[in-house]
Amino acid sequence: DGGITQSPKYLFRKEGQNVTLSCEQNLNHDAMYWYRQDPGQGLRLIYYSQIVNDFQKGDIAEGYSVSREKKESFPLTVTSAQKNPTAFYLCASSISSGSYEQYFGPGTRLTVT
Amino acid sequence: GENVEQHPSTLSVQEGDSAVIKCTYSDSASNYFPWYKQELGKGPQLIIDIRSNVGEKKDQRIAVTLNKTAKHFSLHITETQPEDSAVYFCAASKDSGYSTLTFGKGTMLLVSP
Repeated sequence: DGGITQSPKYLFRKEGQNVTLSCEQNLNHDAMYWYRQDPGQGLRLIYYSQIVNDFQKGDIAEGYSVSREKKESFPLTVTSAQKNPTAFYLCASSISSGSYEQYFGPGTRLTVT
Repeated sequence: GENVEQHPSTLSVQEGDSAVIKCTYSDSASNYFPWYKQELGKGPQLIIDIRSNVGEKKDQRIAVTLNKTAKHFSLHITETQPEDSAVYFCAASKDSGYSTLTFGKGTMLLVSP
């Protein structure tokens, strides 16, 4: 089956710890995205990547980092510098950036205490 | 950058009624307008999209209309069913370089039996 996988579904961390969220796709898509979702805020773009070894900051990149070493993978690290890390994180991919359908993964709910 | 406003934030209807969700966008260069449905605890899924060269598109019980002059587009769901209950997001993007989707803040639709 083709699609996007995110793991784990739930993640708990102590304040001050960095944590990495996994995102893998087997759709052969060039573009990948990370969004953060908070109640009433919609989807806010954290980072995106158009191609391997290239990525761009989105609207709320502070406190986050990414890498794109392989076409299939786009991990997101939530660093201790992120002031409010508790949220639902969604990964997506599309054939290319711009006016194309984005396919979303099931999401990871991160809770930091 | 692009700004997408979505209304209403919540919408309650009786089963069988119609539901309409409206969005406005700010960037006249935007030319792609998708609608996503998100069920509780899951990632959003595309339900319908429209491009700027089309004024209306229909797929069974759902339809989308676009008014480029006024910069607004709407989602229409007819004969609503309880399984239509979800959060719906509109978005906009354009064909240029590093363009990405800009999402509205979402509408929670509740269909009561």
